[in-house]
Amino acid sequence: DAKTTQPNSMESNEEEPVHLPCNHSTISGTDYIHWYRQLPSQGPEYVIHGLTSNVNNRMASLAIAEDRKSSTLILHRATLRDAAVYYCILSASNYQLIWGAGTKLIIKP
Amino acid sequence: EAQVTQNPRYLITVTGKKLTVTCSQNMNHEYMSWYRQDPGLGLRQIYYSMNVEVTDKGDVPEGYKVSRKEKRNFPLILESPSPNQTSLYFCASSRGTGAPLSGYTFGSGTRLTVV
Repeated sequence: DAKTTQPNSMESNEEEPVHLPCNHSTISGTDYIHWYRQLPSQGPEYVIHGLTSNVNNRMASLAIAEDRKSSTLILHRATLRDAAVYYCILSASNYQLIWGAGTKLIIKP
Repeated sequence: EAQVTQNPRYLITVTGKKLTVTCSQNMNHEYMSWYRQDPGLGLRQIYYSMNVEVTDKGDVPEGYKVSRKEKRNFPLILESPSPNQTSLYFCASSRGTGAPLSGYTFGSGTRLTVV
């Protein structure tokens, strides 16, 4: 199964954009790229997902490389409430999510 | 409000005493899944269900059972709990089983301690 690689942690200043990278060099043609986040003491929360084209929603943007071997989650203006662990996940053909360790995002006021 | 409800939120039990963690969703989702989350190991899937009466093993099914008799409910059963099943458990549900996948909705979690 294809796996993802993310930095263990990142820091960003409040009200600045955040770019969270994810590498998935063994992604297959039918794998979707999902992003979830987990705030402290809560269950994971869906953020965004995409296949080939860049995607935008009210929470974030997802930029997918042309070769699909990497992607970037973009939070346009981070707030303290965005401090969480962010998971980049590939959807397997049997609909199971393959979770990595995620990136712990620290927002500095 | 669309949600996945797990009960109980916290549970302390003794080794060998059967227990059930309930999970219910009100979104008419076909797909439901159970995960456990342990420090340093991330989320690992225990069992999943693609629809009523259709269940399958995830990555760590040993020691667990599930059933899907109704679309909205997906209970997790520990017939004989052991201390290594002490963990944080999450139930999740999703609309549909084909691409493109929709986002999964997770419950708030059940923290289980087996002594």
